Amino acid sequence: QITLKESGPTLVKPTQTLTLTCTFSGFSLSTSGVGVGWIRQPPGKALEWLALIYWDDDKRYSPSLKSRLTITKDTSKNQVVLTMTNMDPVDTATYYCAHYDSSGYYDYWGQGTLVTVSS
Amino acid sequence: QSVLTQPPSASGTPGQRVTISCSGSSSNIGSNYVYWYQQLPGTAPKLLIYRNNQRPSGVPDRFSGSKSGTSASLAISGLRSEDEADYYCAAWDDSLSGHWVFGGGTKLTVL
Repeated sequence: QITLKESGPTLVKPTQTLTLTCTFSGFSLSTSGVGVGWIRQPPGKALEWLALIYWDDDKRYSPSLKSRLTITKDTSKNQVVLTMTNMDPVDTATYYCAHYDSSGYYDYWGQGTLVTVSS
Repeated sequence: QSVLTQPPSASGTPGQRVTISCSGSSSNIGSNYVYWYQQLPGTAPKLLIYRNNQRPSGVPDRFSGSKSGTSASLAISGLRSEDEADYYCAAWDDSLSGHWVFGGGTKLTVL
């Protein structure tokens, strides 16, 4: 079965760069149509889509955060990495990675990891 | 402020039918499929409806989706206490090189 798990720091300081890793199993990121996305959710607030990387290394980013985000994949390790620069307290959120199915939806999600931005 | 607009709250009594709306624009709902996610307290979102009105296996047929123009709706019939959750709509947006957009979420309370 498909599983995903996010990992990374739970606390970062303002202006620092956040690096999150999504380690997955049950599928290959070299399969046509497949992707892995990142979505975040500030405490008590709505979901916000961040980025998506496809099997062919095509990448899409949230227009409002594009300048701060980089998404990469390591197919051999079954990992996707998201980096976000210049972190601010408003970036405090639970960050989820999710499997993107070739039919065009996020059908499997990680448990999420809470990242707090504070000095 | 979310690109897709949902009412912040909805409520109903057990057995009732409730609907949750999702309003967008021509670049997202108007030209692409709509997806619905259910998020129970303290858990990750779960895919509830895909491609406007399709249910993944395991999702009860009490849940249904529809789309018309630049708006979509999620209907829940035979409301049950375990349906109390946050519901989010989502769609691909063709503008600005393409990106996903989510609604602001609707908190459903079963009275």
